[in-house]
Amino acid sequence: EAEVAQSPRYKITEKSQAVAFWCDPISGHATLYWYRQILGQGPELLVQFQDESVVDDSQLPKDRFSAERLKGVDSTLKIQPAELGDSAMYLCASSLSRQGEAFFGQGTRLTVV
Amino acid sequence: AQKITQTQPGMFVQEKEAVTLDCTYDTSDQSYGLFWYKQPSSGEMIFLIYQGSYDEQNATEGRYSLNFQKARKSANLVISASQLGDSAMYFCAMRPTKTGANNLFFGTGTRLTVIP
Repeated sequence: EAEVAQSPRYKITEKSQAVAFWCDPISGHATLYWYRQILGQGPELLVQFQDESVVDDSQLPKDRFSAERLKGVDSTLKIQPAELGDSAMYLCASSLSRQGEAFFGQGTRLTVV
Repeated sequence: AQKITQTQPGMFVQEKEAVTLDCTYDTSDQSYGLFWYKQPSSGEMIFLIYQGSYDEQNATEGRYSLNFQKARKSANLVISASQLGDSAMYFCAMRPTKTGANNLFFGTGTRLTVIP
């Protein structure tokens, strides 16, 4: 069964260090999302791609976060420098279209110490 | 602006019984979709059910059904014949169906515990 792949599953990093997460969406899915989920809350959108183009990055803290999807397939989310408040689950999701249901990966649980 | 409200932080249900998880939403959009996701302790979000704002019939998927009351802006999830494996966090989400960015907006979730 097709699924969204994310790596790593867990990441511990020291504050002020750089960290990167990778996501491979379901094959053929043009829309890709990165969400951040703080413990006890629902996911919140960081960035949305349609193919290789950013559609919405209004909630992405651009001074420290960056995201790319160069060939319109897999995507990388980077944080530099990491702060204690960045500790959260980072979820990647993809959908066939903007209106279709989004399928999520297992997430990357980031702990900043 | 879109807002999803889930007022039940936690719910308990006896195995094999039915349970309703509440969800209300606020939007000025006329066309939108409503979703429910399950998040087990492993972390991934599992899609359960979808309801379009113009769908006249309530959506059903196996043991899951969505009680959609458009005038009240509510989209409650009903799980019938609860199983131990249903214990998880459940999130209600909404997406406006319009051109441009169409983010999924999530509620804060309800933790369901199924008691043997």
